[in-house]
Amino acid sequence: DTGVSQDPRHKITKRGQNVTFRCDPISEHNRLYWYRQTLGQGPEFLTYFQNEAQLEKSRLLSDRFSAERPKGSFSTLEIQRTEQGDSAMYLCASSLEIVWSSSYNEQFFGPGTRLTVL
Amino acid sequence: GENVEQHPSTLSVQEGDSAVIKCTYSDSASNYFPWYKQELGKRPQLIIDIRSNVGEKKDQRIAVTLNKTAKHFSLHITETQPEDSAVYFCAATPRGAGGTSYGKLTFGQGTILTVHP
Repeated sequence: DTGVSQDPRHKITKRGQNVTFRCDPISEHNRLYWYRQTLGQGPEFLTYFQNEAQLEKSRLLSDRFSAERPKGSFSTLEIQRTEQGDSAMYLCASSLEIVWSSSYNEQFFGPGTRLTVL
Repeated sequence: GENVEQHPSTLSVQEGDSAVIKCTYSDSASNYFPWYKQELGKRPQLIIDIRSNVGEKKDQRIAVTLNKTAKHFSLHITETQPEDSAVYFCAATPRGAGGTSYGKLTFGQGTILTVHP
């Protein structure tokens, strides 16, 4: 499967615990995005990387959230001291950025990690 | 920042009918508008997109129209089929600075489309 993959697919944790999710983008894609989706809502942007550089972070991303993409390939999203309000589907997407290209590059989504905080 | 409103939240049609979903956006700098389809338990998948220099785009039974003056765009599905049943999301994004492509997508709230056989 050459699409975007995420691990784990489901995570149940207790309030106060730390969790880490992994995203593996499509191999040649240099852009990687994290979104959060709650039931009945559209995905909300959290942060994105171009190669290993984190270019933008949403105000939704509190200091309990941290994301990395150390070698410009896979990315991790860590949530510290989880709260019940963190329960959601965490989606990763990737795209190929071509500077000065007139084309807009599709973001391909992964299957998501569903987090439940008890 | 950008705000995208999507209507209706639910839409029920008979097989063979047309379905129309409408979105409005707030940021006049937005110039790329994709539509995603998300089936239950599955990942969002791009079905069609449009750039701001184009007023309409069609792909078989699916079409998207854009009115930049009014800041709204719509998805049209003709000859609906039961397999079109899913949640549809519109999104908007501006082109980045320095010739970069777009970054984050701002999504609408979604429309649950049900096509009855």
